[in-house]
Amino acid sequence: GAVVSQHPSRVICKSGTSVKIECRSLDFQATTMFWYRQFPKQSLMLMATSNEGSKATYEQGVEKDKFLINHASLTLSTLTVTSAHPEDSSFYICSASRLGRAGYGYTFGSGTRLTVV
Amino acid sequence: QQQVKQSPQSLIVQKGGISIINCAYENTAFDYFPWYQQFPGKGPALLIAIRPDVSEKKEGRFTISFNKSAKQFSLHIMDSQPGDSATYFCAAVGNSGYSTLTFGKGTMLLVSP
Repeated sequence: GAVVSQHPSRVICKSGTSVKIECRSLDFQATTMFWYRQFPKQSLMLMATSNEGSKATYEQGVEKDKFLINHASLTLSTLTVTSAHPEDSSFYICSASRLGRAGYGYTFGSGTRLTVV
Repeated sequence: QQQVKQSPQSLIVQKGGISIINCAYENTAFDYFPWYQQFPGKGPALLIAIRPDVSEKKEGRFTISFNKSAKQFSLHIMDSQPGDSATYFCAAVGNSGYSTLTFGKGTMLLVSP
C-alpha cells in the first residue's frame, strides 16, 4: 500500500528559529501534496497544497512567508516554519495524493508535533 | 460555512456494541466520501470510502451507508472493540474546485471494556 513518511515525528525548538519538516511518498509518485495543521481535539485544517515543480497554493489566513513549502520532486515536499513562535506549536500533518489511482488516493503521514519554547 | 457536518462529537460504546457516526454534506460536487481513523499523536489513516453510486460498502466490521438524496452518510462499527477507540473523521472530495478533502469535525469514540 501507499506509504507516506514524515520526519521528524517530534521537534522542540527555540522561539525565533526555523524548523523543517519532510514528507516523502515512499512507494508512489505524488502529484500533489498537502499540509495540514491540527490543534488538540480539533479537525485537520488545510494550510497549503503543493504540486511538484510549482509554487504552493496557500489557504486564506496562512502566512506564506512563515510557512515555506517546497515540492522539489514527485516524492518529497518540505514545510519550513520560519522564525517560529510559541503560537506555531501544533501538530503538522502532510498528505500525498495519487490522483487517478484508487479514487483520490490520499495517504497521510504520521504527523510532526512541533513545540516552540 | 461548514460543508461536512459530523455527529456526534463524542461517543461511548460498550465492547461488542455498534458504533454509529453520522455525516451530512451540502455540496453535490462531492463524489468520494472517505472515513479516517486517527489515534493520538498519529496521522489519519484511511478506514473505508464510498462513492455515491452505491448505497452501502462493507469491509470487515466497518460499513458505510450512503443516502445520496438526503446527502448523508454514516459509519457503522459492528462488534466495537477497545482497540477501536480513536477519533474518526468523515470527509468528502470532488472535482471542479473541490478536489481537496473537506473534513468533518471528528468524533471521539471510546469503547469501554
